[in-house]
Amino acid sequence: GESVGLHLPTLSVQEGDNSIINCAYSNSASDYFIWYKQESGKGPQFIIDIRSNMDKRQGQRVTVLLNKTVKHLSLQIAATQPGDSAVYFCAENTYGQNFVFGPGTRLSVLP
Amino acid sequence: DSGVTQTPKHLITATGQRVTLRCSPRSGDLSVYWYQQSLDQGLQFLIQYYNGEERAKGNILERFSAQQFPDLHSELNLSSLELGDSALYFCASGGVGLMNTEAFFGQGTRLTVV
Repeated sequence: GESVGLHLPTLSVQEGDNSIINCAYSNSASDYFIWYKQESGKGPQFIIDIRSNMDKRQGQRVTVLLNKTVKHLSLQIAATQPGDSAVYFCAENTYGQNFVFGPGTRLSVLP
Repeated sequence: DSGVTQTPKHLITATGQRVTLRCSPRSGDLSVYWYQQSLDQGLQFLIQYYNGEERAKGNILERFSAQQFPDLHSELNLSSLELGDSALYFCASGGVGLMNTEAFFGQGTRLTVV
């Protein structure tokens, strides 16, 4: 498939290790955040979301942390697997407005 | 499968032509968002419709237009196409209730302008 964003920052991790992907968002009024995973040639896939009244939310193997003070969002993936290789985007949203996406990070899982 | 359907999957057309991309949102979703994704850029917001009305506008060119129909499907019209319009065009749907909710993406339409 076609790669998305040839000049994306890349994070390489060993299979089985934990991954941390970071995102700085821009709008202090944003109150809803989503992490998406995009595999080559496919549409972005919802992973996990968090609202601004929370600072941590856990899913299956994934955790999102929100630091509103510094406008920072992170996605932690536990026991990273080859199938986790993809581009990861954070998206911020203010109610009634569109989603604004970050530039993306390419996660490469090494065997 | 996200439940959002986009057609066609691939489109090849010549410069100066006009094309229409179609999106059927998930059942019950009232919002439709259109995004453009080029190789050297991330997801760029184009336009959003909510229950048939334009809700928000991004960096959408004047050559581009969109609408959402009473059955909530949406069309994105791209005219006077240029080589630089070649990109993946994604539709996403969401916004069932009063709270902002996740947007689910379709598989995209890959437009190639030659």
